[in-house]
Amino acid sequence: QSVLTQPPSVSAAPGQKVTISCSGSSSNIGDNYVSWYQQLPGKAPKLLIFDNNKRPSGIPDRFSGSKSDTSATLGITGLQTGDEADYYCGTWDSSLSVGVFGGGTTLTVL
Amino acid sequence: EVQLLESGGGLVQPGGSLRLSCTASGVTFLSFAMTWVRQAPGKGLEWVSGISGRGGAIYYAESVRGRFTVSRDNSKNTLYLQMNNLRAEDMAVYYCVKINSKNLPDDNHYYMDVWGKGTTVTVSS
Repeated sequence: QSVLTQPPSVSAAPGQKVTISCSGSSSNIGDNYVSWYQQLPGKAPKLLIFDNNKRPSGIPDRFSGSKSDTSATLGITGLQTGDEADYYCGTWDSSLSVGVFGGGTTLTVL
Repeated sequence: EVQLLESGGGLVQPGGSLRLSCTASGVTFLSFAMTWVRQAPGKGLEWVSGISGRGGAIYYAESVRGRFTVSRDNSKNTLYLQMNNLRAEDMAVYYCVKINSKNLPDDNHYYMDVWGKGTTVTVSS
């Protein structure tokens, strides 16, 4: 069981928008910034969003992040087939003193 | 460009040991904390261990505490993971990952900004 909770899968049509939720607790999301990672099939994960809503250089603004209390959300607009991947949220848990991830969400672009 | 290259994976019997290495380039190594993350076949990401820039702070997941030891040699830009008493459930791809700062976390900021390609650990008799 992952410390952070994500839906196992989401899907939408090309060009549409999708959101992926990530739920935690006061000791992790409630106390620390959230990051998001994209893992394309057969590849290593890549940083997509950091500090709740910041994008690293090279990440298009179709990707956005937000956080409220003990939950975070990843948004993807203008969906492309190349966005099909697994998406993970992550943060630090201040009580456990460990890094934590969500279980991952598989995005299918229909 | 920062690059991380893992090595040391392979086939090991249950109860055996293995040492993973990760060599970093393009970065002032001691200025950044490092982490090991693993992914079992068909499963999600699992955080394994983290070490601060100068090695003064070390953390482990409950699933590996007492069996795994993380260390680093900043003079060689290298991160290590000594894995003892390996179990079937340790079988995974192990990723070496750079953290955004020298601390774990740093004023509540914590993210993994550079990932290696991973090395595969197979535990089987």
